[in-house]
Amino acid sequence: DAGVIQSPRHEVTEMGQEVTLRCKPISGHDYLFWYRQTMMRGLELLIYFNNNVPIDDSGMPEDRFSAKMPNASFSTLKIQPSEPRDSAVYFCASSFGGSAKNIQYFGAGTRLSVL
Amino acid sequence: GENVEQHPSTLSVQEGDSAVIKCTYSDSASNYFPWYKQELGKGPQLIIDIRSNVGEKKDQRIAVTLNKTAKHFSLHITETQPEDSAVYFCAASINPRAGANNLFFGTGTRLTVIP
Repeated sequence: DAGVIQSPRHEVTEMGQEVTLRCKPISGHDYLFWYRQTMMRGLELLIYFNNNVPIDDSGMPEDRFSAKMPNASFSTLKIQPSEPRDSAVYFCASSFGGSAKNIQYFGAGTRLSVL
Repeated sequence: GENVEQHPSTLSVQEGDSAVIKCTYSDSASNYFPWYKQELGKGPQLIIDIRSNVGEKKDQRIAVTLNKTAKHFSLHITETQPEDSAVYFCAASINPRAGANNLFFGTGTRLTVIP
């Protein structure tokens, strides 16, 4: 398997623009997680899905952030409008809930810079 | 919810020496404790994990210990090598099979192995 695939790897945008980050989880995994990583706050869970349904979105910072999972093989995280403080590395991870362990497999991340 | 604390935030060791990273958790219901390694420009990758019914687990140069009573667990790396240089994250999970499949991460330790 190719692992968790995220795109784009880097995104540079101007304040106020809409940003869409994409994720393809590992085939067969039924959980998908979106994280944000910054120097100040470390690795923060934003939202996670189970079988395409959002389970916990309490980590989503504000209404400017939204996430969708239209099918088992694709998810998006959208920021609209973007602000400089959204600059961070965003990770997507997936896992298989049928396992006794909770091994999450991370993608390579999207580095977002909002100017 | 669960709160995971990790120390130290940075650690420098000479090649060949041992490195120890410590974490504490707050929720006694947590029963799964993975460690992730994040190399520059990549997402975190699982390196070792331990369940709450085990006190210690080893995998070559890496070992993890768990003290359930004190609610702390540690990562031990022996005979460190330059390629061990990375950021290490501990995490805790509350009963993956209960439906809540999210991990609570520590703030990370930047390990530098000096040749």
